[in-house]
Amino acid sequence: DQQVKQNSPSLSVQEGRISILNCDYTNSMFDYFLWYKKYPAEGPTFLISISSIKDKNEDGRFTVFLNKSAKHLSLHIVPSQPGDSAVYFCAATYTGTASKLTFGTGTRLQVTL
Amino acid sequence: NAGVTQTPKFQVLKTGQSMTLQCAQDMNHEYMSWYRQDPGMGLRLIHYSVGAGITDQGEVPNGYNVSRSTTEDFPLRLLSAAPSQTSVYFCASSEQAGANVLTFGAGSRLTVL
Repeated sequence: DQQVKQNSPSLSVQEGRISILNCDYTNSMFDYFLWYKKYPAEGPTFLISISSIKDKNEDGRFTVFLNKSAKHLSLHIVPSQPGDSAVYFCAATYTGTASKLTFGTGTRLQVTL
Repeated sequence: NAGVTQTPKFQVLKTGQSMTLQCAQDMNHEYMSWYRQDPGMGLRLIHYSVGAGITDQGEVPNGYNVSRSTTEDFPLRLLSAAPSQTSVYFCASSEQAGANVLTFGAGSRLTVL
């Protein structure tokens, strides 16, 4: 039972354009969502997060949007840069779960020149 | 500041052998956890600890043991390795349970023949 789903295994975007990575979840109890970025042979690194009381959170080139009614969130990267090429994981948790994150399967983003 | 350090980075075992994956953090984090990453399945929680002397099971705990005798260290023991335990293992920590942003180590790649 995959509670967090990233249905696009890969995405290719030209440098300077917008990258949109999508994530869907099924557990209505989730109230906090995170995006992690992972380069090969490294551990995931935290990118941006959003609480369920918000519908948008922005940090520089990165914006996360949350649509609670659709149980959907997306990560927008504008403008995309070659260094953004990595695997992006969506993760979710809820209050009282002691930092236990449920991860999606990841989307590999390739930013081309 | 080293963050989360995992050793070894690579290990090959034969079926039935035992071994310990080491994890140490120097950030005085209370919460530590182990995840495994398998192709097409994202990261799944194996065991976690909310403080020294306290451990609990995650989503996929079978075949693994943990202990937390100090704040800094959280070793993961494979009692009798099986090919199904071939995976990349990540240790992660956060300031306290409920602090949702985890800091990950670089990973340990384990192959069981």
